[in-house]
Amino acid sequence: GENVEQHPSTLSVQEGDSAVIKCTYSDSASNYFPWYKQELGKGPQLIIDIRSNVGEKKDQRIAVTLNKTAKHFSLHITETQPEDSAVYFCAAPGTGRRALTFGSGTRLQVQP
Amino acid sequence: DTGVSQNPRHKITKRGQNVTFRCDPISEHNRLYWYRQTLGQGPEFLTYFQNEAQLEKSRLLSDRFSAERPKGSFSTLEIQRTEQGDSAMYLCASSLDPPRYGYTFGSGTRLTVV
Repeated sequence: GENVEQHPSTLSVQEGDSAVIKCTYSDSASNYFPWYKQELGKGPQLIIDIRSNVGEKKDQRIAVTLNKTAKHFSLHITETQPEDSAVYFCAAPGTGRRALTFGSGTRLQVQP
Repeated sequence: DTGVSQNPRHKITKRGQNVTFRCDPISEHNRLYWYRQTLGQGPEFLTYFQNEAQLEKSRLLSDRFSAERPKGSFSTLEIQRTEQGDSAMYLCASSLDPPRYGYTFGSGTRLTVV
């Protein structure tokens, strides 16, 4: 099955700085790469996703890049704000109709 | 549509008891997933349904766990003879098939086995 590794496990930035979270995946057949944000006491919420036919996608302050050759994808958050503080998860589906495999998460703390 | 609904939000049970959780997905979503999440970890896949058919089960799903989705609508996850190691957040998610718009997760059921 798919194996997803995520780094770093914790990330602390100053408000206004950028944050980058990286993930690698093992199954070259994976073709869909979502990122989720989880706040305390809530379920994960989809914030952005990318499909394997594009290399980059941007939505306001959030962007995701994909390198299929190297099998890694990254989440970029610019102009971070305190409300960006949360745990972020990447995921990938693997082959066929498999359910998403999630990374272990990155706890982002934005210092005001 | 109010999203994915999970009940109860919290459950405390004694070791050895049986527990059942319910998930009501977004009505037009034909896929439904169960995940387990322990503190500081990402969600771990347990099982998923497409309509009423259970298509995949993780090795994490021991024979004490059973999930159903009668009529392809809501789903239940039952844990028999609970153990302390079952303490976790149980998350339900739903999506279209294929998941063109990603998964929508519920807020989870937090199980504590004492």
